[in-house]
Amino acid sequence: AQSVTQPDIHITVSEGASLELRCNYSYGATPYLFWYVQSPGQGLQLLLKYFSGDTLVQGIKGFEAEFKRSQSSFNLRKPSVHWSDAAEYFCAVGRRTGNQFYFGTGTSLTVIP
Amino acid sequence: GAVVSQHPSWVICKSGTSVKIECRSLDFQATTMFWYRQFPKQSLMLMATSNEGSKATYEQGVEKDKFLINHASLTLSTLTVTSAHPEDSSFYICSASSPTVNTEAFFGQGTRLTVV
Repeated sequence: AQSVTQPDIHITVSEGASLELRCNYSYGATPYLFWYVQSPGQGLQLLLKYFSGDTLVQGIKGFEAEFKRSQSSFNLRKPSVHWSDAAEYFCAVGRRTGNQFYFGTGTSLTVIP
Repeated sequence: GAVVSQHPSWVICKSGTSVKIECRSLDFQATTMFWYRQFPKQSLMLMATSNEGSKATYEQGVEKDKFLINHASLTLSTLTVTSAHPEDSSFYICSASSPTVNTEAFFGQGTRLTVV
């Protein structure tokens, strides 16, 4: 069965510091992987996605993620965090056919000045 | 990118009444729409998948008679919470997929339902 694990429920970083959010998945085939961000009371915004090819993918707002098949991971990174990055981040895996998503439990990011 | 709009953004209703939430794909035809539910500080849980013109497929544990889903056109799906109770209070989000971009879904902004 497919599942997504985000081990860190909450992370606090200082503004300007680097960030890494962890995501591990369990899937029967090559997954489609996504990172979404959700601001309070808002919907989801796609940060980046991986389907195939280069395992390091670039997204919006300076985010990147690396797909590591051997570790079943798709960690999200940002070299320098901004206060506006404070939000909830969700990793998701999608089916190859259709667009049914399975989400991780999310990581809440707090940015301190 | 493609736009998905949900309406209303928030709604308060009395216990025992029914509430309808609309999900529209504004600039593309969505053959498939998905409904998710998000409890406070938790992840999104898939409730059901609806394909235009056919019955929705519900995930295990989701009451189909409680959460009525209709996908009557390629641009509109509705979720009706029937006989709502306070425990139905939640954040509901829809997503829609386009046959021209079948590896990505587009999410609505969500609907906050509060049942009092």
